Amino acid sequence: NAGVTQTPKFQVLKTGQSMTLQCAQDMNHEYMSWYRQDPGMGLRLIHYSVGAGITDQGEVPNGYNVSRSTTEDFPLRLLSAAPSQTSVYFCASSLAGVPYSNQPQHFGDGTRLSIL
Amino acid sequence: DQQVKQNSPSLSVQEGRISILNCDYTNSMFDYFLWYKKYPAEGPTFLISISSIKDKNEDGRFTVFLNKSAKHLSLHIVPSQPGDSAVYFCAASRGQGAQKLVFGQGTRLTINP
Repeated sequence: NAGVTQTPKFQVLKTGQSMTLQCAQDMNHEYMSWYRQDPGMGLRLIHYSVGAGITDQGEVPNGYNVSRSTTEDFPLRLLSAAPSQTSVYFCASSLAGVPYSNQPQHFGDGTRLSIL
Repeated sequence: DQQVKQNSPSLSVQEGRISILNCDYTNSMFDYFLWYKKYPAEGPTFLISISSIKDKNEDGRFTVFLNKSAKHLSLHIVPSQPGDSAVYFCAASRGQGAQKLVFGQGTRLTINP
């Protein structure tokens, strides 16, 4: 069981470069999301998707784009990298939740991104 | 504006004793709470959850308590084991089960032999 797979694991970019962080899940989950983790701040939601063709913004969406053309994949694009986007990025997926159901999100192992 | 707060960055506990991790929240609309455990270089893994209609949920050595009036939840681990050493994140969501999570800053738990 692969679960949630993120690539690459590490990346160094120069300011102004663009790149795409890949996320794929093989659990047929409807819901997928991207978080970033910064020291002392926990994880913050960037964008999320409730199904193919549907995306929405989270708490910190600026500077990032997403699309969801298939159920399995949810790439995160940095349009013009900035040092403030240096972070560890986590992708997560889950079955679409109903209130009080125990459908926790499954996380990938993260992409550590440094912007110089 | 931190809606979910874990005020203890670290906690050290003797093996075999009880570990108590605390979490406070400010948004009264949150109705579902989760605890995640994270090892270095890995993603968070789900540990236990509780909905706002309950005040306690148990799963083996792990128990989560919810005090809605105080907007406070806690995770109890009994007995603590060396493998429990990790960073623990409290998370909350509203109206959609476990989606759109708001995380606390995390507490690093160290279990000493």
